[in-house]
Amino acid sequence: EAGVAQSPRYKIIEKRQSVAFWCNPISGHATLYWYQQILGQGPKLLIQFQNNGVVDDSQLPKDRFSAERLKGVDSTLKIQPAKLEDSAVYLCASSKGGGTQNTGELFFGEGSRLTVL
Amino acid sequence: AQSVAQPEDQVNVAEGNPLTVKCTYSVSGNPYLFWYVQYPNRGLQFLLKYITGDNLVKGSYGFEAEFNKSQTSFHLKKPSALVSDSALYFCAKTGANNLFFGTGTRLTVIP
Repeated sequence: EAGVAQSPRYKIIEKRQSVAFWCNPISGHATLYWYQQILGQGPKLLIQFQNNGVVDDSQLPKDRFSAERLKGVDSTLKIQPAKLEDSAVYLCASSKGGGTQNTGELFFGEGSRLTVL
Repeated sequence: AQSVAQPEDQVNVAEGNPLTVKCTYSVSGNPYLFWYVQYPNRGLQFLLKYITGDNLVKGSYGFEAEFNKSQTSFHLKKPSALVSDSALYFCAKTGANNLFFGTGTRLTVIP
């Protein structure tokens, strides 16, 4: 079974530039998550999709971050314009269920490491 | 507020010795608790979970964790550490729809 795929693995940009990350979850997984992991901290949820609908985006900085999952499969996370504090690893994860069905076993991709200069 | 605390940033243990990585959680109903491991330049991998039932949960790679309701703890343990266990370990707890992660504990197993 193929795992969660993410690209690019590494990206270096200057502040105020834009960047996009792509994620393809495990086939059949209805729920997709984007987490931000800043060095020295635990992952923090940015947005959660159930199929192509947003379940939780309360911690997404909507003035600069956007995400979509148009067909309920793969997803794109965009940052525009980037700030220095956006330097982090962006982790995509998927799970079979979500909400009260979610018993917590998330499958993570290898992450996309963003450096903002 | 939903929270998970990992009081130790770093744990060092000699190979072959038992290891413990600590986790405590804020109380809210019946928590679902998890441990994930992150190897360098890799995504997080699920180790084990507590949902209900037996307080001692066994997981991957010989790890186990003990749920202690009175102490609101869920410490990760292994009887005999391997060098290959060196990694970053995260405790997590379910919220309404997703996981809340602790800040992580870096485990180093010394040969």
